[in-house]
Amino acid sequence: GDSVTQMEGPVTLSEEAFLTINCTYTATGYPSLFWYVQYPGEGLQLLLKATKADDKGSNKGFEATYRKETTSFHLEKGSVQVSDSAVYFCALRDQAGTALIFGKGTTLSVSS
Amino acid sequence: ETGVTQTPRHLVMGMTNKKSLKCEQHLGHNAMYWYKQSAKKPLELMFVYSLEERVENNSVPSRFSPECPNSSHLFLHLHTLQPEDSALYLCASSQDLVVSPLHFGNGTRLTVT
Repeated sequence: GDSVTQMEGPVTLSEEAFLTINCTYTATGYPSLFWYVQYPGEGLQLLLKATKADDKGSNKGFEATYRKETTSFHLEKGSVQVSDSAVYFCALRDQAGTALIFGKGTTLSVSS
Repeated sequence: ETGVTQTPRHLVMGMTNKKSLKCEQHLGHNAMYWYKQSAKKPLELMFVYSLEERVENNSVPSRFSPECPNSSHLFLHLHTLQPEDSALYLCASSQDLVVSPLHFGNGTRLTVT
């Protein structure tokens, strides 16, 4: 079945460091891909999305490119802030699915 | 009003109690979902409703009973729960079942004693 694999956390960075969180997927067909973020005590918020190969999703300085050849959708940010500390989830929705399939989440901790 | 509202935010219940979780969406979406989020585990899809009809039920124990009276409201009725059911229960909605992203509420933190 379809699945999403994220890098294990936690990821600990200093403010202004470069961030990469790896995400790879297994799916039939051409899924849509998403990154969600969850701040403490809150639900998940959509961060960015891409619906076809080579699409780049971006929001709040975060970017991810849909790479079909490597089945990847890695999340990047050039300069992280303390306020980016949260749990990040990669997810996919395939053409036949009725809901999102999530990875296990990666905790990011940014210190000043 | 925020997009998806869940009540209560926190709930403590004994194993013999009956309680309900409520979710309301103000986005005009056609699909609604219940997810369970436990520590150290991926999010688990529990139920999916589209236009008030259940379209998916992922082998959830019968002690969890969903209800979708209209496209804006979703309930999760709980009875005779177990301590391992303690988790964050998240409600979400989407415009459709195919490509639209899900919009989540802030969840109900459930503790079963």
